[in-house]
Amino acid sequence: DVKVTQSSRYLVKRTGEKVFLECVQDMDHENMFWYRQDPGLGLRLIYFSYDVKMKEKGDIPEGYSVSREKKERFSLILESASTNQTSMYLCASTETSLAETQYFGPGTRLLVL
Amino acid sequence: KNQVEQSPQSLIILEGKNCTLQCNYTVSPFSNLRWYKQDTGRGPVSLTIMTFSENTKSNGRYTATLDADTKQSSLHITASQLSDSASYICVVTINYQLIWGAGTKLIIKP
Repeated sequence: DVKVTQSSRYLVKRTGEKVFLECVQDMDHENMFWYRQDPGLGLRLIYFSYDVKMKEKGDIPEGYSVSREKKERFSLILESASTNQTSMYLCASTETSLAETQYFGPGTRLLVL
Repeated sequence: KNQVEQSPQSLIILEGKNCTLQCNYTVSPFSNLRWYKQDTGRGPVSLTIMTFSENTKSNGRYTATLDADTKQSSLHITASQLSDSASYICVVTINYQLIWGAGTKLIIKP
């Protein structure tokens, strides 16, 4: 079974803090994704990566950056957290194609005060 | 604008009853349409996948249907169980871009 883990289930941060969310997958998948999920909205893609050190902007990249130094690890960085970044953050991976079934981590619920 | 809209937003049914969730889309043509189940506090898990040419796909008590003419997909749950309480999300893939619906929150009452 594919396993995608996220470093924290819950996080509380203050406005202006730098926030790191980490995601690890154990199935040697090529593609990794970061989404945010808000009530009443579909998942919105922040960034994705199709290879080590490669990244592409998604639909809402503003205020976020990512890092993929190793194939299994994809980090989401909030350089200066703001209250409108309070959300559920979901990491996902696919084996080879962006159109394949996505395997998700359990999510990190971030509260920015 | 490519859109995926799901209805109802939420639904409460009694254990053992059947239910049908709807997904309307404007995307056409598309590569595939998936239904995901998301338990509270967890990430989504894939239930079914259908290509543009398929009409139906089953996974146990879950049956997804697709009508390309009306641009509608349905997820039918038979003999509901308490463990079916979750959000169900429809997502359409077009040119390697995923268009996600907002989901339907289903609550099964004993």
